[in-house]
Amino acid sequence: QLVLTQSPSASASLGASVKLTCTLSSGHTTYAIAWHQLQPGKGPRYLMKVDNDGSHSKGDGIPDRFSGSSSGAERHLTISSLQSEDEADYYCQTWGTGVLVVFGGGTKLTVL
Amino acid sequence: VQLVESGGGVVQPGKSLRLSCVASGFTFGTYAMHWVRQAPGKGLDWVAFISYDGNGKYYADSVKGRFTVSRDDSKNTLYLQMNSLRTEDTAVYYCARDSLFEGRGASKFDYWGQGILATVSS
Repeated sequence: QLVLTQSPSASASLGASVKLTCTLSSGHTTYAIAWHQLQPGKGPRYLMKVDNDGSHSKGDGIPDRFSGSSSGAERHLTISSLQSEDEADYYCQTWGTGVLVVFGGGTKLTVL
Repeated sequence: VQLVESGGGVVQPGKSLRLSCVASGFTFGTYAMHWVRQAPGKGLDWVAFISYDGNGKYYADSVKGRFTVSRDDSKNTLYLQMNSLRTEDTAVYYCARDSLFEGRGASKFDYWGQGILATVSS
């Protein structure tokens, strides 16, 4: 079964960096994922796609502070030079054969 | 690219509601579309998919048989007809564009609407 696992929460200080992780379930460790940001009171925003080889392609207007990487079954989103507006929920999403869409449980990022 | 949902509101259990999503800034008829929802305090939950040509429609098990997705390319509009509503259908509903050009299957979502709240309550 295709499952994405995320830590429920993360925190980091203003101006620092944070690395969020999304883990693919066994048997699906080569899948690409997408990261989405959900700020309070706004619709989700596509950030980037992260492939198995660690390459990533960002959405329109996504700052250079956001980057992606990969290690085994883990797909990472790193945000550097944290700003207050980065405080949001971050979801990873993947897709399978046919029409199979899976979201991770989301990580709530707090900027201290 | 802009996606704008409408049609939400408060309805009683067992009743119906139709959500709309008007698209602009791209050729609507060449992209598959999705509906996704977020119940209060919960995460994102995929609801439905319609292929770029409208011939492929897929639903989450939780809404199968009750919800119907459709599109009117002449109006650049995506719809979600929600029947036999339950209290657990209360959520913010988002429409989202699938990134694949002329897609018949799912891929990543590259644009989202701002969401519309549908509340099912007696």
